[in-house]
Amino acid sequence: EAGVAQSPRYKIIEKRQSVAFWCNPISGHATLYWYQQILGQGPKLLIQFQNNGVVDDSQLPKDRFSAERLKGVDSTLKIQPAKLEDSAVYLCASSPHDRPSNYGYTFGSGTRLTVV
Amino acid sequence: AQTVTQSQPEMSVQEAETVTLSCTYDTSENNYYLFWYKQPPSRQMILVIRQEAYKQQNATENRFSVNFQKAAKSFSLKISDSQLGDTAMYFCAFMKHYGAGNMLTFGGGTRLMVKP
Repeated sequence: EAGVAQSPRYKIIEKRQSVAFWCNPISGHATLYWYQQILGQGPKLLIQFQNNGVVDDSQLPKDRFSAERLKGVDSTLKIQPAKLEDSAVYLCASSPHDRPSNYGYTFGSGTRLTVV
Repeated sequence: AQTVTQSQPEMSVQEAETVTLSCTYDTSENNYYLFWYKQPPSRQMILVIRQEAYKQQNATENRFSVNFQKAAKSFSLKISDSQLGDTAMYFCAFMKHYGAGNMLTFGGGTRLMVKP
């Protein structure tokens, strides 16, 4: 079974520029999550999708962050304009059900964003 | 809201010895799941072990075991016969048992170094 794919692996941009991250979950997984992990901290949920609908985006800074999951499969997370404090690893995860408690999630390897 | 606290930012252990990582959490929920994730330098979060709160028996997975104290809201991870490959960040995480938005709430992590 292929894992959760994310790209790019690394990205360096200047502040006020825009950036997009891509995630391809495990085939058939209905739920997709984006987490932000600032260096030295635990991951924090940004947004959760169930198929192509948003379940929870309460922690997403909507003035600069946006995310979509077209056709309930791939997802993109965008930041525009980026700030220095957005430097972090952005992790994507997926799970097969709306109640993934038995197995947790499957995570991708993340995108490390550096804003200079 | 749930909170997860890991009070040990860094720990080290000699190869083949045993180490215990601490985790406490705060919740008003009665049914929930607890997890330990490992994050090596590759950044991918790897599930180490999980515990259902309604089960009194502590979970074990090969060299990994937990000490779950529900009344004390404590969930420690014991690694026996430590191996060099166990060197990584370890995150404790909480998930509600059911309901929309099965987000994982992570602690701040413990950096474990296994020394030869």
